[in-house]
Amino acid sequence: QQPVQSPQAVILREGEDAVINCSSSKALYSVHWYRQKHGEAPVFLMILLKGGEQKGHDKISASFNEKKQQSSLYLTASQLSYSGTYFCGTAPLPGSARQLTFGSGTQLTVLP
Amino acid sequence: EAQVTQNPRYLITVTGKKLTVTCSQNMNHEYMSWYRQDPGLGLRQIYYSMNVEATDKGDVPEGYKVSRKEKRNFPLILESPSPNQTSLYFCASSRRTGTEAFFGQGTRLTVV
Repeated sequence: QQPVQSPQAVILREGEDAVINCSSSKALYSVHWYRQKHGEAPVFLMILLKGGEQKGHDKISASFNEKKQQSSLYLTASQLSYSGTYFCGTAPLPGSARQLTFGSGTQLTVLP
Repeated sequence: EAQVTQNPRYLITVTGKKLTVTCSQNMNHEYMSWYRQDPGLGLRQIYYSMNVEATDKGDVPEGYKVSRKEKRNFPLILESPSPNQTSLYFCASSRRTGTEAFFGQGTRLTVV
């Protein structure tokens, strides 16, 4: 079953902050975040493993609450280059034979 | 350069005419998978492969076949394409399950 992402779309001005949420009905081992720009392939941002560790990538960070089966992606002081569709992907078990199950995506538009 | 290469990038075909979309990776990755991307549905897994001669169904395998005779190649076969298989297809590879996935540039397939 696909994880649920919210919001489905968000529009903000350059310099503003945004939060994208990802929740699953299943227990999770890891959560992955990818960004896809229009007409391009998804590109890896970060992986969060069970344990609640928060990670960062430039001004983009994420948290993972395995008890709530949720992850959040934080975009701080958004730049125009942050525009795109963000996908979370979930993996239930370490070493699971299954690859990621992706959410339906959150479309982020950053305006000048 | 580390990459996943898909061919063709664009394909228009007629219902029932067998086609193959090729996927090749040069990173010696064990895991490869195919996804289809449709508006509002995100990325849905079609098939995945844990290694040579080891493939299994993903979430939407109906109407598709795959093979993994060599580690680097993972072709997607549509024996009798139908219009509901019109979609954007991505091949991805990763070192192992749960690690960063590298995506190909995508194949936009239209079945008329």
